Amino acid sequence: TQLLEQSPQFLSIQEGENLTVYCNSSSVFSSLQWYRQEPGEGPVLLVTVVTGGEVKKLKRLTFQFGDARKDSSLHITAAQPGDTGLYLCAGALRGAQKLVFGQGTRLTINP
Amino acid sequence: NAGVTQTPKFQVLKTGQSMTLQCAQDMNHNSMYWYRQDPGMGLRLIYYSASEGTTDKGEVPNGYNVSRLNKREFSLRLESAAPSQTSVYFCASGDWAQETQYFGPGTRLLVL
Repeated sequence: TQLLEQSPQFLSIQEGENLTVYCNSSSVFSSLQWYRQEPGEGPVLLVTVVTGGEVKKLKRLTFQFGDARKDSSLHITAAQPGDTGLYLCAGALRGAQKLVFGQGTRLTINP
Repeated sequence: NAGVTQTPKFQVLKTGQSMTLQCAQDMNHNSMYWYRQDPGMGLRLIYYSASEGTTDKGEVPNGYNVSRLNKREFSLRLESAAPSQTSVYFCASGDWAQETQYFGPGTRLLVL
């Protein structure tokens, strides 16, 4: 059983469209991170959200942490081919000193 | 400032051979981690070291051993490789106060 469920697992859209990726759990996390991974490389940290209800923006990317700190979303506005990659969410369980990863969303933006 | 480095980048082994994957970080992080990544499975934690001198099992530790050589280095050893260990292996280091991790470029391992 996956502790963090990401949806969708695959998404292919046209350049200029908007999209949202979801990360859901029944567990409460002290923080949640989003990573992007490109082929042949390691995951790169995009953002960490800590407070329930927190919203962070990174250019065209908007990250939200749920009020109950059990879920998160990543919204991309006007997607570009450079946004193509594997997006991973990861949650920190308080006191565990390790992260739990979702299975990832593979995003393809077509020109 | 190289971040997290891993060697080798690629390796092909025959079943039963052994090898050690090396990882080093220069960010003065206390915590270090080894993951494997397989298609459709995301990242699965093999072992981690919360601080120098300690190691703990993760989700999939069978067939692996680790050594936290010092604060900078954390190695992963496969004593007798099996085809099921074909995967991409990532090392990460973490600042647990920030609850974040930083990843190396990965080692691609094929066991025949």
